[in-house]
Amino acid sequence: QVQLQESGPGLMKPSEALSLTCTVSDDSMSSYYWSWIRQPPGKGLEYIGYIYYSGTTYYNPSLKSRVTMSVDTSKNQFSLKLASVTAADTAMYYCVREGPRRYFDYWGQGTLITVSS
Amino acid sequence: ETVLTQSPATLSLSPGERATLSCRASQSVSSFLAWYQQKPGQAPRLLIYDASNRATGIPARFSGSGSGTDFTLTISSLEPEDFAVYYCQQRSNWPRTFGEGTKVEIK
Repeated sequence: QVQLQESGPGLMKPSEALSLTCTVSDDSMSSYYWSWIRQPPGKGLEYIGYIYYSGTTYYNPSLKSRVTMSVDTSKNQFSLKLASVTAADTAMYYCVREGPRRYFDYWGQGTLITVSS
Repeated sequence: ETVLTQSPATLSLSPGERATLSCRASQSVSSFLAWYQQKPGQAPRLLIYDASNRATGIPARFSGSGSGTDFTLTISSLEPEDFAVYYCQQRSNWPRTFGEGTKVEIK
C-alpha cells in the first residue's frame, strides 16, 4: 500500500516561509489528488488544499493568499509553501491522498511545525 | 463554508457498550460524508465514506447512516481499541470541512 512521508523544518520564526515536501512511495501520483491538512495541538483538522499531477490546485480561501502548492511527479513528491507564518500556524501538517471517492484514504505520519520567536 | 457540528463532545462508555455519534451539517451535503478515527499520536484513519460505506479493513461493528444534514456513526459494541476521537468530514462543498470531533473515552 502507498506510504506518504512529510519533511519540514520543525521550528520556525514568525514571518518566515514554511516549506514542506511529501514523498509518495509509489508511482501513483498521476492517478489521484494530493492534499495537505493541518491540526493545531489539541484541536481539530483544517483542510489546506489539493494539487493534481497536472498542477491544478485548490486552496482553502482562509489560507489562499499565503499558500502555494507544487508537484514533481518525476520525484514522486508534492510540496506546500506557506508564507509569513505566525504562531497560529503552529500545527501538525499531514500530507494525504484523496482516494477514488475523493476522501482522505492515506495519510502521512505528520510533521510538527512550531512557530516561535 | 459548510460547518459540521458533532455531538456530544465527549462520550463516556464501557467496553461492550454501543456508541452513537452525531454529525450535523449547516447545509445539505447529500451523502458525501466520511468518518475518521484518530488515536493519540497517530494520523486519522478513514472509517466510513459516502455516509454508510466502510473503508477497506474496517470492522463490521462500525456503521454509518444519514443523508442531507444529519448523520450518525454507530459502534455496535466497543472494543478497547475503539476509544479515540472521531471526526466527520464533508466533500460536497468547497472547502472540505471537518467537524470538531467526538472523544469516546472509557467510563
